[in-house]
Amino acid sequence: KAGVTQTPRYLIKTRGQQVTLSCSPISGHRSVSWYQQTPGQGLQFLFEYFSETQRNKGNFPGRFSGRQFSNSRSEMNVSTLELGDSALYLCASSGGALASVTDTQYFGPGTRLTVL
Amino acid sequence: QQQVKQSPQSLIVQKGGISIINCAYENTAFDYFPWYQQFPGKGPALLIAIRPDVSEKKEGRFTISFNKSAKQFSLHIMDSQPGDSATYFCAASTTGNDKIIFGKGTRLHILP
Repeated sequence: KAGVTQTPRYLIKTRGQQVTLSCSPISGHRSVSWYQQTPGQGLQFLFEYFSETQRNKGNFPGRFSGRQFSNSRSEMNVSTLELGDSALYLCASSGGALASVTDTQYFGPGTRLTVL
Repeated sequence: QQQVKQSPQSLIVQKGGISIINCAYENTAFDYFPWYQQFPGKGPALLIAIRPDVSEKKEGRFTISFNKSAKQFSLHIMDSQPGDSATYFCAASTTGNDKIIFGKGTRLHILP
């Protein structure tokens, strides 16, 4: 079974631009969560989607948004990029008939975003 | 407000020794405590998890000890090996809350 895939793996943008990151979950998984990982703050929860609906959201500004498609693939978008948005963005999928966050989460390798 | 405090930030252990990483939480509603292992260039991978109805869970060389009254839990790696060198994250969540809170991580280095 293929794991969680994220594209692109690396991205360089400049301040003020916007960016879209993509995540394909493990086949059959319906829950996709996004995290921001930085050396200073560690892993911080951004949001979680299940069956195309956002179920929970972390404490990030509205510049961070996401969506999930009917095939469970998910995208996250960051608008008006700031230097502090430089981070590793990880997505994780989990799922089963009664998917909840306490199901095992399988992480992708992440997208390394650098904002100049 | 950080809800899961993890220590130490970094740890160096001799091969064959015991590695111990500690975490403390504040929210008594947490009922699921996983540990993740992350190698450079990879996403975190679930290592072992525990629920508060048990005080200890062991899987191979990895053991979680859980102290509900102290709101603390720890990961013990017995017979530590160089291949265990990685960053370890503790985490906590509440069933139905759909959000996992991570500690800031411990960078473990096992000396060969």
